[in-house]
Amino acid sequence: DIQMTQSPSSLSASVGDRVTISCRPSQSISNYLNWYQQKPGKAPKILISSASNLESGVPSRFSGSGSGTEFTLTISGLQPEDFAIYYCQQSYHTPLTFGQGTRLEI
Amino acid sequence: QVQLVESGGGVVQPGGSLSLSCVASGFNFINYGMHWVRQSPGKGLEWVAFIRHDGGDDYYADSLKGRFSISRDDSKNTVYLQMNSLRAEDTAVYYCAKDGIWSGYYPTGGYFEHWGRGSLVTVSS
Repeated sequence: DIQMTQSPSSLSASVGDRVTISCRPSQSISNYLNWYQQKPGKAPKILISSASNLESGVPSRFSGSGSGTEFTLTISGLQPEDFAIYYCQQSYHTPLTFGQGTRLEI
Repeated sequence: QVQLVESGGGVVQPGGSLSLSCVASGFNFINYGMHWVRQSPGKGLEWVAFIRHDGGDDYYADSLKGRFSISRDDSKNTVYLQMNSLRAEDTAVYYCAKDGIWSGYYPTGGYFEHWGRGSLVTVSS
């Protein structure tokens, strides 16, 4: 199975900050990497697919980059509604696997 | 807009069975593969299963193969998850999710484009 390692596990930031979350798969996955946001009591929501493709309706302050074994989610200009848990997920090979999550808090 | 509504969760004893349903609306159901994803209380996300848009093939997490079965009824816009020989570690919120690839044949290459609200399954005596 492809192991997905996110860092940091938690992150404290303030409104207006720029933050980056890293995701490293245990093997190369080309650009088959997706990012999700999950708020308490809610289902995850897709933010970015294929490493850098911003999904419809997602604010442009979210961006993704990377390929192979190193990926990054960047949020530029944090808003209050962005405080949540973020997960990366690989779709290169079954079983599809997720990172352990990064909790973004104030 | 796309809606996915799960049902069928509840409390079941170890070794028991349960069937989850997910009714889809707001998109052409027959053109999309469907997934089940679960999340244990306070823990991370785990992909469970995928069924091809035409129902012609299905895929499972290795640890669940043989106990869980995914199916779909396109006449009812519904995807199912049959869960047998349930264990305490199967306790989780189960989400159905629409794949993001039109007419996708495989679970790979896509993403979980839309999610339901989830259905809680508790395995306990």
